[in-house]
Amino acid sequence: EAQVTQNPRYLITVTGKKLTVTCSQNMNHEYMSWYRQDPGLGLRQIYYSMNVEVTDKGDVPEGYKVSRKEKRNFPLILESPSPNQTSLYFCASTDRFSPLHFGNGTRLTVT
Amino acid sequence: RKEVEQDPGPFNVPEGATVAFNCTYSNSASQSFFWYRQDCRKEPKLLMSVYSSGNEDGRFTAQLNRASQYISLLIRDSKLSDSATYLCVVNTNTGNQFYFGTGTSLTVIP
Repeated sequence: EAQVTQNPRYLITVTGKKLTVTCSQNMNHEYMSWYRQDPGLGLRQIYYSMNVEVTDKGDVPEGYKVSRKEKRNFPLILESPSPNQTSLYFCASTDRFSPLHFGNGTRLTVT
Repeated sequence: RKEVEQDPGPFNVPEGATVAFNCTYSNSASQSFFWYRQDCRKEPKLLMSVYSSGNEDGRFTAQLNRASQYISLLIRDSKLSDSATYLCVVNTNTGNQFYFGTGTSLTVIP
């Protein structure tokens, strides 16, 4: 089954404790991206990757890191999480100009 | 100015009603356009792509007006199961970035 898999689904952590949210896709897509969704602000792009070892900032990259060492994986790293990063996160993948396929989301709470 | 503007609603309509959503975009060179449906903080799911000539899928019709830079979604004969948030999505001319409207909330009332 074609899918984008994110883990974990829910995560509660404390300020400053490094965490990684994993994202994997099995559709051989070149393009992968991360979004956060906050009430009233909609989905905002954090980082995206056009291919292996090619990443670029989206609209809200501060406080986040990504890596793309393999085509299928695109982890999101929060080196020192802060409460303002409490949000609902989505990973997505696609071929260029095609619709995005979303993972089922990670609800992060930073206390 | 936001890349994509969308009326957040909410729209509360009776079953069987016809409802329309619009979305405007600011980049005239935008290439691809989509409507997504999102249920209660779940992941957005593709409802339909939007083509220049307009396209229809059952009760749903999507249209693109490049001159006025807006896309629209028409839902006919609304069902209770249509209750959700509808997101318009625009892809830039480079294909690198996707921009989302904030979503329009629809509740279909029995």
